[in-house]
Amino acid sequence: AQTVTQSQPEMSVQEAETVTLSCTYDTSESDYYLFWYKQPPSRQMILVIRQEAYKQQNATENRFSVNFQKAAKSFSLKISDSQLGDAAMYFCAYRPPSNTGKLIFGQGTTLQVKP
Amino acid sequence: EAGVAQSPRYKIIEKRQSVAFWCNPISGHATLYWYQQILGQGPKLLIQFQNNGVVDDSQLPKDRFSAERLKGVDSTLKIQPAKLEDSAVYLCASSPPLAGVYEQYFGPGTRLTVT
Repeated sequence: AQTVTQSQPEMSVQEAETVTLSCTYDTSESDYYLFWYKQPPSRQMILVIRQEAYKQQNATENRFSVNFQKAAKSFSLKISDSQLGDAAMYFCAYRPPSNTGKLIFGQGTTLQVKP
Repeated sequence: EAGVAQSPRYKIIEKRQSVAFWCNPISGHATLYWYQQILGQGPKLLIQFQNNGVVDDSQLPKDRFSAERLKGVDSTLKIQPAKLEDSAVYLCASSPPLAGVYEQYFGPGTRLTVT
């Protein structure tokens, strides 16, 4: 069975600095999709960034980028120029290649941004 | 574009009582998901619908949980009878009908407290 592990329950970063959130996963599939979701205290889950496993190039969305290491089954999220609004719970999620679209989430990392 | 709507936002019940949650997905989204998110954990899929058919309900406790999606649009999730361990946030999500790496759009969730 596929699993997703986030080993950092909590992280903190100074405003305007850079922080990296870690995620590892386990799968026997060669084709799959990976996501980072943000969940602010309001609980609305928002997609931050996504990565297709067949793409070697790391995904980037403005201040958010990933380091996708397929062989190591690692998928970390880097947030540059951190802002107070980035404070939230971040979830790493895996989606198998089937059309069912079921997401398997990690346990989450709470990010605190200090002014 | 209106987002995924859920109601109620909060519900407090006593154990052994019944409760129902409602979800209205984004217009045109064929796939609808119900996730259970226990405090401090990542969401876990309970059931997935494709139009009004069930795609995956392998983690739904069928002795007490039931769900339906009438006419392939709105969905209700019911718990009867509730247990203390059902206290969680219940998230509804929807995604477009096309295959591929399409994100799931989440609603604000319903926080259930069972006393």
